[in-house]
Amino acid sequence: AQKITQTQPGMFVQEKEAVTLDCTYDTSDPSYGLFWYKQPSSGEMIFLIYQGSYDQQNATEGRYSLNFQKARKSANLVISASQLGDSAMYFCAMREGDGGSEKLVFGKGMKLTVNP
Amino acid sequence: EAGVAQSPRYKIIEKRQSVAFWCNPISGHATLYWYQQILGQGPKLLIQFQNNGVVDDSQLPKDRFSAERLKGVDSTLKIQPAKLEDSAVYLCASSLRIAAKNIQYFGAGTRLSVL
Repeated sequence: AQKITQTQPGMFVQEKEAVTLDCTYDTSDPSYGLFWYKQPSSGEMIFLIYQGSYDQQNATEGRYSLNFQKARKSANLVISASQLGDSAMYFCAMREGDGGSEKLVFGKGMKLTVNP
Repeated sequence: EAGVAQSPRYKIIEKRQSVAFWCNPISGHATLYWYQQILGQGPKLLIQFQNNGVVDDSQLPKDRFSAERLKGVDSTLKIQPAKLEDSAVYLCASSLRIAAKNIQYFGAGTRLSVL
């Protein structure tokens, strides 16, 4: 079974509009972390935002916020006021457990295109 | 602060040849990761080092892939012999565990084409 599901292969948004990128996850571990990364065409994975499973509040980092719905196992990324530079691939990832292997399990990603 | 450095950026080889990739993590980061990203997919962990010890190499094809992290800093990933299906981007990441966050910071990757 897929651990991270990103069902939107691609999205288009107008500059300055808000956009929501969907992510659902599957785990039986009570302790986990959820991450969003951005990958522009240059190839580097850029960390955007983190949400811990025990965090009481939704994470925010500048224009990025994470809509964390634990019961529904969803961790959607919201980008407010889109910019042309936001055009990229976006990956949702999960880390299970507290110690030992810290591997991230990634979704397949989705492509966001911001139009002027 | 300098990020994760990787070289080369691109490499083209023929099948059955060998290839090596190099990674220099962010200074002070004890944990280093190698991921493989096949076109159209998310990265998949190949191996994780804590200092110079291996923590997780369960998804490393050990018959052809090897990795080392001498002195707990730089790391090298080698493929010998390469197969067509090894064509991918190889990403190196490093992290410094702070509480439960443990953010992994990635390099720009090495794009490998096996012909």
